[in-house]
Amino acid sequence: NAGVTQTPKFRILKIGQSMTLQCAQDMNHNYMYWYRQDPGMGLKLIYYSVGAGITDKGEVPNGYNVSRSTTEDFPLRLELAAPSQTSVYFCASSWELAYEQYFGPGTRLTVT
Amino acid sequence: AQTVTQSQPEMSVQEAETVTLSCTYDTSENNYYLFWYKQPPSRQMILVIRQEAYKQQNATENRFSVNFQKAAKSFSLKISDSQLGDTAMYFCAFMVLGGAGNMLTFGGGTRLMVKP
Repeated sequence: NAGVTQTPKFRILKIGQSMTLQCAQDMNHNYMYWYRQDPGMGLKLIYYSVGAGITDKGEVPNGYNVSRSTTEDFPLRLELAAPSQTSVYFCASSWELAYEQYFGPGTRLTVT
Repeated sequence: AQTVTQSQPEMSVQEAETVTLSCTYDTSENNYYLFWYKQPPSRQMILVIRQEAYKQQNATENRFSVNFQKAAKSFSLKISDSQLGDTAMYFCAFMVLGGAGNMLTFGGGTRLMVKP
């Protein structure tokens, strides 16, 4: 099993550009999550999904969009990138909501 | 809103010794889940231990154990026989299911350095 994979590992964006962060899991988990981690801080939930076609906002959803068309994939879309979105982004998945979350290796995004 | 506080930004311990990391949380809910996650320099988040609030028995995973004090809203992590590979950021996290929950709320983290 590859677990949770994320692409790209690093990306530099200019202000106003858009991009999609890819996330995939091969564990057949229903639940998937997107977090951001700012320097020296804990993770904050952006969006999560309880299954294909179902998504919900987390703590910091502004400036982001998600979709979940399959169980395996959960892409995160950044529209009109802003410097405040400079962060490390983690995707995770779990079997149930209160169970262990398996994290991807993260994507370091810089917006300049 | 739920909050999680880790009052020790940095700690160090000698190899083979024991160290305890502190975590307190604030909630009005009665049923919830608590976690400790480890983030080594590789950046990969890894679950260390999980505790269900309705269970009075403290969770244990090999050298890792917790001291869960529900009335005090405290959830500390004890690492015994510390190893160099335990060097990492440690995050305490909290989850309530349903309503405004369904999300992990993380503390700010404690950076642990294990010294040879």
